[in-house]
Amino acid sequence: ETGVTQTPRHLVMGMTNKKSLKCEQHLGHNAMYWYKQSAKKPLELMFVYSLEERVENNSVPSRFSPECPNSSHLFLHLHTLQPEDSALYLCASSQVASGSGPYEQYFGPGTRLTVT
Amino acid sequence: GQNIDQPTEMTATEGAIVQINCTYQTSGFNGLFWYQQHAGEAPTFLSYNVLDGLEEKGRFSSFLSRSKGYSYLLLKELQMKDSASYLCAANRDDKIIFGKGTRLHILP
Repeated sequence: ETGVTQTPRHLVMGMTNKKSLKCEQHLGHNAMYWYKQSAKKPLELMFVYSLEERVENNSVPSRFSPECPNSSHLFLHLHTLQPEDSALYLCASSQVASGSGPYEQYFGPGTRLTVT
Repeated sequence: GQNIDQPTEMTATEGAIVQINCTYQTSGFNGLFWYQQHAGEAPTFLSYNVLDGLEEKGRFSSFLSRSKGYSYLLLKELQMKDSASYLCAANRDDKIIFGKGTRLHILP
């Protein structure tokens, strides 16, 4: 049990669909992250929320839309995706201390997304 | 991965020792993480080095040289369950940047 859960674990969607990925952390952390992991590429940071405010958006296409309603929940809303968006999407959480940067991140099991 | 370099693959024998190296750009550097990721699973935290030197945690040790932009992860008494990818990640300007990972194969 990692303390970070993600649903669904697997998702297949067409390019015209709209779906959402959900992440929940039970660790009392104050920062949450979305990563994309594609084969043979490093983990790509997509979005960061710290204290429920988005603090980073790494030039992610607008077809990916994050939402963080509170410090324990994080969503990634998907619409009109492309086949190249097929990947493992990982959520993570950490504690962030002012002036000290992030401590270690705890990852969820990921959602394996396939866009057809 | 923004100049985080580590070998793509390594192979070692059960019971042996293996060292996985990682080099990174030193600008804005605050610390160096190591994560383990088994196939199909999420990464799990192994270590975080901020100061120069070696930190030991059981069979795993991590070393950092800030001036050289260099770290390594040392795995002793290898077991088959250590077959996994090992991800090096630098905390630079309070952002965590991951390398591509080193896939470690353990032979019986």
